[in-house]
Amino acid sequence: GQQVKQSSPSLTVQEGGISILNCDYENDMFDYFAWYKKYPDNSPTLLISVRSNVDKREDGRLTVFLNKSGKHFSLHITASQPEDTAVYLCAAGENQGGSAKLIFGEGTKLTVSS
Amino acid sequence: DMKVTQMPRYLIKRMGENVLLECGQDMSHETMYWYRQDPGLGLQLIYISYDVDSNSEGDIPKGYRVSRKKREHFSLILDSAKTNQTSVYFCASSPGGAETLYFGSGTRLTVL
Repeated sequence: GQQVKQSSPSLTVQEGGISILNCDYENDMFDYFAWYKKYPDNSPTLLISVRSNVDKREDGRLTVFLNKSGKHFSLHITASQPEDTAVYLCAAGENQGGSAKLIFGEGTKLTVSS
Repeated sequence: DMKVTQMPRYLIKRMGENVLLECGQDMSHETMYWYRQDPGLGLQLIYISYDVDSNSEGDIPKGYRVSRKKREHFSLILDSAKTNQTSVYFCASSPGGAETLYFGSGTRLTVL
C-alpha cells in the first residue's frame, strides 16, 4: 500500500488566501518530513522540512505542521500567489534507522487563481 | 555549482531493447536515488545507493538494475525494456540520510 498519501489530487485557492496541503503516512518510524515543489517539466525542489522532534516549523509564508499521533503533516502557504501554482509533493523518511529512503506522496496540484 | 546531471533528456526505445540512463553529481554526495514519476502515483523509488557498490532495492525494483562504480555516477539499466516502463525517470543525490534531495532534470523514456 501507499506509505505516504496525499488524498487531494488538486486544490484551487484564490490569490491572497491560505493554501493547505495535507499528507498522511503509515510508518510510525518515519522521523523526517518534507515538502517538495515541482513545476511542469522541471525537477522537484525542497521547500521545507521538519524532524519528528518538533510539531511546527515556519519559514516565511510556509508553515509545516506535524501531528505524529495522527500520522499526518500539512503545509500551509499564506498569502498565496499565482507563482505558487505547482505540484506539491510530500515526503517522509526514516533517518535514525540508517536508511536514507525518502518516500513521496502522489502530489497535489495547487492552482492559485488571480 | 551544485548539480545533478541526467542524460539523455529524452529517449525513445523499442520493446525488448536495453536502456541505459546515466546520472552524475558534483557534490560528492554519498547517497543517490532513482525514482520514476507516473501520473497519479507521484515519485516511486526504484533503487537507492549508499555509496560505491552499496545499492538497495527501493519499492519498485523489478525490471531494473543499477550500477555505481564511482561515487559521482549512478546508472539505471533496463534489460529488455517493456512498454510499462514508459515514464519520467529522476535521479537524485543527498549528502547522507533522507535529508535534502537534489534532483536531476529527468529523463523522459518512451518504450514503443
